[in-house]
Amino acid sequence: GNSVTQMEGPVTLSEEAFLTINCTYTATGYPSLFWYVQYPGEGLQLLLKATKADDKGSNKGFEATYRKETTSFHLEKGSVQVSDSAVYFCALAVGTSYGKLTFGQGTILTVHP
Amino acid sequence: EAQVTQNPRYLITVTGKKLTVTCSQNMNHEYMSWYRQDPGLGLRQIYYSMNVEVTDKGDVPEGYKVSRKEKRNFPLILESPSPNQTSLYFCASSLSWDNPRPYSGANVLTFGAGSRLTVL
Repeated sequence: GNSVTQMEGPVTLSEEAFLTINCTYTATGYPSLFWYVQYPGEGLQLLLKATKADDKGSNKGFEATYRKETTSFHLEKGSVQVSDSAVYFCALAVGTSYGKLTFGQGTILTVHP
Repeated sequence: EAQVTQNPRYLITVTGKKLTVTCSQNMNHEYMSWYRQDPGLGLRQIYYSMNVEVTDKGDVPEGYKVSRKEKRNFPLILESPSPNQTSLYFCASSLSWDNPRPYSGANVLTFGAGSRLTVL
């Protein structure tokens, strides 16, 4: 089956620190990979995505590279802000069926001034 | 504004009292889905619908029902709620289930703000 594993949280950082949230996956078939973000009291929003090996998704200073050889899609940001405090979810969809997302357990990020 | 609207946002109820969580989208999306979010488990799919009158089970359908009589609405029904259904529920929609090649990147899920349900 399909599964997504994220690093354990919560993650607490100071403003301007470097962020990495690890994500690895197993999938039957060729997956597309996503990072979603959930701000307090809100629904999930798509942060970035990648559809094939070596693709790099990027948005709002966040980046993630689709690594097929290590089955990973780690999220990075060079300098976090307080406003980045949220829950981050890694997810996959097999092939082009984006309606069927498999999510990781989520990682809580808190950024202090 | 394009959005997915869920109601109620918060609800406390008792075991066995039937309830319905409504979901409506104004984007003419064909595909709609319900997820529940639990600590340490991420989001798990309950039911989904690829179009009007077409619904199917997700990964955790037990204790839930859905219907899709109109394109814009996809209510989640708990006929006899139990405490293990205490959770945060999300409705989501997208243009369609699938993304025909060549990939355009437009067909991703839009989520509602969530409905927090507590069953005592």
